[in-house]
Amino acid sequence: NFMLTQPHSVSESPGKTVTISCMCSSGSIASNYVQWYQQRPGSAPTNVIYEDDQRPSGVPDRFSGSIDSSSNSASLTISGLKPEDEADYYCQSYDISNPVLFGGGTKLTVL
Amino acid sequence: QLQLQESGPGLVKPSETLSLTCTVSGDSISSNDYHWGWIRQPPGKGLEWIGNIYSRGSTYYNPSLKSRVTISVDTSKNQFSLKLSSVTAADTAVYYCARTIVVITLHYFDYWGQGTLVTVSS
Repeated sequence: NFMLTQPHSVSESPGKTVTISCMCSSGSIASNYVQWYQQRPGSAPTNVIYEDDQRPSGVPDRFSGSIDSSSNSASLTISGLKPEDEADYYCQSYDISNPVLFGGGTKLTVL
Repeated sequence: QLQLQESGPGLVKPSETLSLTCTVSGDSISSNDYHWGWIRQPPGKGLEWIGNIYSRGSTYYNPSLKSRVTISVDTSKNQFSLKLSSVTAADTAVYYCARTIVVITLHYFDYWGQGTLVTVSS
């Protein structure tokens, strides 16, 4: 079964850079676009990256997405961390049998 | 500004059917560019996609829920709806509606409602 695996949690200090990974269990990560969503406590998710590395309007350029074929993973990188970046982050992709699949989510703590 | 608002009962009995409606404002649900979807999130857990619908009626469903799910659209009211039958406690979740961008096999969500908690309990 196609799965997207994320670390349960990551933490970093304000001003630093953090990277959240999303590993694809089967097939090539480069074959299907990956999206990322931010979910602050008590709020609905918002899209921060689509089509691997595209930022929706209004999302700061501190947020970037990338694909690494060697590790079959996608990554969300947040630079210049701010306290308001503390949230859960979900990757999302698809495969031939399921048009939408989410990763399990990563809790980002800004220390 | 696009807004989506979920509505429906907050409590459903086991074995009954969960019914929710999403009212869209700020955009026409008949737009050729978008689909409209449902996603849920059990308390303290991750996101699970339920399904999408296009204004002309074509649907996509999560294979794991497909046998119990029906999504429909009412263009006259600018609304779309979710029905989930034979619910159990495992269906307790916050249910979100969302505008869905579909490009061939790519589906993703650019606007979300605030979500509504549905509890399954007798």
